[in-house]
Amino acid sequence: KNQVEQSPQSLIILEGKNCTLQCNYTVSPFSNLRWYKQDTGRGPVSLTIMTFSENTKSNGRYTATLDADTKQSSLHITASQLSDSASYICVVKLTGGGNKLTFGTGTQLKVEL
Amino acid sequence: GAGVSQSPSNKVTEKGKDVELRCDPISGHTALYWYRQSLGQGLEFLIYFQGNSAPDKSGLPSDRFSAERTGGSVSTLTIQRTQQEDSAVYLCASSLGGGGGEQYFGPGTRLTVT
Repeated sequence: KNQVEQSPQSLIILEGKNCTLQCNYTVSPFSNLRWYKQDTGRGPVSLTIMTFSENTKSNGRYTATLDADTKQSSLHITASQLSDSASYICVVKLTGGGNKLTFGTGTQLKVEL
Repeated sequence: GAGVSQSPSNKVTEKGKDVELRCDPISGHTALYWYRQSLGQGLEFLIYFQGNSAPDKSGLPSDRFSAERTGGSVSTLTIQRTQQEDSAVYLCASSLGGGGGEQYFGPGTRLTVT
């Protein structure tokens, strides 16, 4: 069972609409949680990094939230654009786990006209 | 260069052949990571280099996989006697230090074993 689970697996929305992607994790002890955007054929690019003490962090139209008690995070995308079409990956870093990151399988988002 | 670069971008090889994948990290980054991304799977950690310390090889799936980092910069991932299940995208990332900071990824090498 994957220690970082994301939902939905895929999502199609119309340009201009908002959407929220979910991430549940079971790994512990937890150091930080990251959201990455990966365009097709490219490497992942970091959107946000949150420590366990942070509840929310924004990066432009992207807002990530974290509930360390329930081990849930979400990524909210506002006023979506065609260029938001990508895979969004939730990543958890363990405390004292060296520098290994545990990756979710991603949510594939497609924004259409 | 401004970012992490990898070569080749695509590699097709026959089962049983050896392959070498190259990663050029961002200049000045002391930490370098290799990951594997198989279709429909999350990224899987392979190996981590930090400065002159012994690499963390705990993610290498078999002894057919090895990696080197020469002069604290360029790294080569070698897969010997390739198998079809080795087909994946191999991603390299680097970070300024080894303290779990921001990792910057290269575009990856897509390996196809026929």
